[in-house]
Parts: sequence; C-alpha cells; structure tokens
Amino acid sequence: DAGVIQSPRHEVTEMGQEVTLRCKPISGHNSLFWYRQTMMRGLELLIYFNNNVPIDDSGMPEDRFSAKMPNASFSTLKIQPSEPRDSAVYFCASSLKQGGQPQHFGDGTRLSIL
Amino acid sequence: GEDVEQSLFLSVREGDSSVINCTYTDSSSTYLYWYKQEPGAGLQLLTYIFSNMDMKQDQRLTVLLNKKDKHLSLRIADTQTGDSAIYFCAESIDTGGFKTIFGAGTRLFVKA
Repeated sequence: DAGVIQSPRHEVTEMGQEVTLRCKPISGHNSLFWYRQTMMRGLELLIYFNNNVPIDDSGMPEDRFSAKMPNASFSTLKIQPSEPRDSAVYFCASSLKQGGQPQHFGDGTRLSIL
Repeated sequence: GEDVEQSLFLSVREGDSSVINCTYTDSSSTYLYWYKQEPGAGLQLLTYIFSNMDMKQDQRLTVLLNKKDKHLSLRIADTQTGDSAIYFCAESIDTGGFKTIFGAGTRLFVKA
C-alpha cells in the first residue's frame, strides 16, 4: 500500500518567495497533520484536519503560514513570504480519526530558505 | 498539562540491550507509541500499547508500561548498528477528539 506521499522532497529557494508543500494522505485516513522538525525545537505540530476541516491551527507560527485541504486526498502547506528561519523539515502524517489510531508519516520535505 | 519527556541520548554496544525511557503527564492517555526516525526519513511506527496493558513484546522489542508512575520504556534486545536512529515516545490523549503528544526523541548510538 502507498504510504503518505509528500512533494517536493527538497526545496531550496530565496527568502521572500512563496513555498508550497504538498501531501497525499493514505487512502481512507480522515485525519491529516502537518509538522515541522528542527534541531532547536524538535517536532512541532503546526495544524491538523479531521474530515478536511482544520481543527487546531494553534501551532502555525505566523500569518505567513497557511494550510488547506480541498479534498480527502490532498493538502497543501504554504509559506508566503518565506524567511530563512522557516528552514526545516516539514512532515505530513495521516491517521484514522477514531480511537487514537497511530499516525503514519511521509518522508518529509527538506526546506532551505536562503 | 500535556508533556512527554525522554532523555536525549543513549549509547550502547552492539549485541547489548538498549532501554529507552519516557515519562508522560496526562493520565487520560489511551495509546502510547514508539516511533523510529532514521536519517532523511519520516517517523516510522515501531510499536504501540493500549493504556490498559502492562507489556507488549514484538520480536526484539519489549514495551513496558507503568501507568501508576506514567512511565513507558522500550527495550531493544541484541541491539544492532541498524538500530541507530532517533526514537520518539508519544501518547494519544482524549480531549474530545484525540491528540498525539510527541517527546523530543532519544538518539540511540550503537557502537560496533
């Protein structure tokens, strides 16, 4: 079975540019999560969706960050404008909503903002 | 509050057992998980235990849960160099919906 698919795997861009990260969750999973991982701050939950609806976006660092889930098989995380401190690995994960089911992670997007 | 704590580093010799410890604060945990992260990859679910269990064994992995002390451990028997990775402890808590809280991860070094 295909796991969580993220694209691109790597992104290098200059500060001020718009960055869009993409995620395809596991088919049938109805919860989707966006995380950011850095050496300094570890793994941080940015936002999560249940049934395509954003439930908790309290981890989104600033208004420059936005996330959408237009349908059950696709989500985006957008940073506009990007800044060097946004450099990190961004993970998407999905799970079944009920009963504390475990999250399944993609391989992440390594983002470098110059 | 909701918090999961782990030691940051563990170093063991190949062939020895590794024990990675974790403490959590929320007593409403339903499931507790161990994830493994290898370089350049996402977190991979290793094993999980339901909160009404004390122990779970899966090949070289043994998970022990002490619910009274809110302590979870992962034992890896016969540790191999391929076990070198970061291990994350996580708990799922019922807040009306289910929320997963991750620890900061324990980096395991296996010396040949």
